[in-house]
Amino acid sequence: DGGITQSPKYLFRKEGQNVTLSCEQNLNHDAMYWYRQDPGQGLRLIYYSQIVNDFQKGDIAEGYSVSREKKESFPLTVTSAQKNPTAFYLCASSPGAGPDTQYFGPGTRLTVL
Amino acid sequence: QKEVEQDPGPLSVPEGAIVSLNCTYSNSAFQYFMWYRQYSRKGPELLMYTYSSGNKEDGRFTAQVDKSSKYISLFIRDSQPSDSATYLCAMSTNSGGSNYKLTFGKGTLLTVNP
Repeated sequence: DGGITQSPKYLFRKEGQNVTLSCEQNLNHDAMYWYRQDPGQGLRLIYYSQIVNDFQKGDIAEGYSVSREKKESFPLTVTSAQKNPTAFYLCASSPGAGPDTQYFGPGTRLTVL
Repeated sequence: QKEVEQDPGPLSVPEGAIVSLNCTYSNSAFQYFMWYRQYSRKGPELLMYTYSSGNKEDGRFTAQVDKSSKYISLFIRDSQPSDSATYLCAMSTNSGGSNYKLTFGKGTLLTVNP
């Protein structure tokens, strides 16, 4: 089955800890994205990557980091510098970096205890 | 003024009703328009994609774009309880380095009652 997988589905973290969220796609898409979704706020772009070994900050990159070492993988690290990390995190991909539609994974719900 | 405005609802309708969901936008550079459906605790699923003014139909769903009024709509005919979800509008430009970026509305929560 082609698609986007995110793991884990639920993640709990203590304050002060870094945590990494996984995103993998087998759609052969060039571009990948990370969004954060909070109740009543819609989706906000954290980071995006148009090609391997390249990525750019989105609207709310502070406290987050990413890597894109492989075309199919785009992990997101939520660092201890992120002040309010509890949220629903969504990974997406699109065929190219143009105005293509984006396809989303199932999401990871991160809760900071 | 926010770039994309979407009434959050909630919107509750009886089964079989015609549902109208709407977004307005302020950026005249938006040229590509999408509607996503998101079930609770799931990722958004693409429903409709259009890039021109006018109507686009897909089964029970019709997407309508009016660029002169900066207004887009999604109509759902013969609504079903399985249509109960949050509906997100999204749009993007086609200008230079920012043509990757989707700007989302906040979503409208729809409940279709049996």
